[in-house]
Amino acid sequence: DARVTQTPRHKVTEMGQEVTMRCQPILGHNTVFWYRQTMMQGLELLAYFRNRAPLDDSGMPKDRFSAEMPDATLATLKIQPSEPRDSAVYFCASGFPGPLYTEAFFGQGTRLTVV
Amino acid sequence: AQSVTQLGSHVSVSEGALVLLRCNYSSSVPPYLFWYVQYPNQGLQLLLKYTSAATLVKGINGFEAEFKKSETSFHLTKPSAHMSDAAEYFCAVAGSARQLTFGSGTQLTVLP
Repeated sequence: DARVTQTPRHKVTEMGQEVTMRCQPILGHNTVFWYRQTMMQGLELLAYFRNRAPLDDSGMPKDRFSAEMPDATLATLKIQPSEPRDSAVYFCASGFPGPLYTEAFFGQGTRLTVV
Repeated sequence: AQSVTQLGSHVSVSEGALVLLRCNYSSSVPPYLFWYVQYPNQGLQLLLKYTSAATLVKGINGFEAEFKKSETSFHLTKPSAHMSDAAEYFCAVAGSARQLTFGSGTQLTVLP
């Protein structure tokens, strides 16, 4: 049963600490998305990668957020330093682009609480 | 740029009643549209997608959606609501770079 795996599922951290979220995309998918979900903003696209290269990270606060794909089986989203306003659920999704769209398959998310 | 607007952040229906969740799109090119469902503490799951093959699209769990170009709409329906349908539903459109842009979501409550 192919699925996107995200770790950890829950994270509570103190303001100022570094947070790293990990994502294992579905095998064979070459596109990875990072979304953030909050009550106020809904689902926001933070960044996405194709063939491990960042295509768009314009949705991500550059000063504290960074996203990487060290290899095809791992994507990471890092926040340093974390702030209370970063509290949200972070979703990773993967897909393989067709000619006109990429269907995204979502992980279960990482619920981040920054206190 | 492509976008979707979901009308109604909360919808309540009685069990057995018709479910209608509204989505309107804005797109300068033929849109590719999707409905996703999110159950509590879960990720988003694809319900159905419109890719121009047919205007009436059938999805999982008895849901369907009809693409109406004249109304720029892609509303989600189900003839008879079940308690297990209670969830949040998101409409999405594929952007120019083939990524998905989501609407703000509609929380569906099913009353016994």
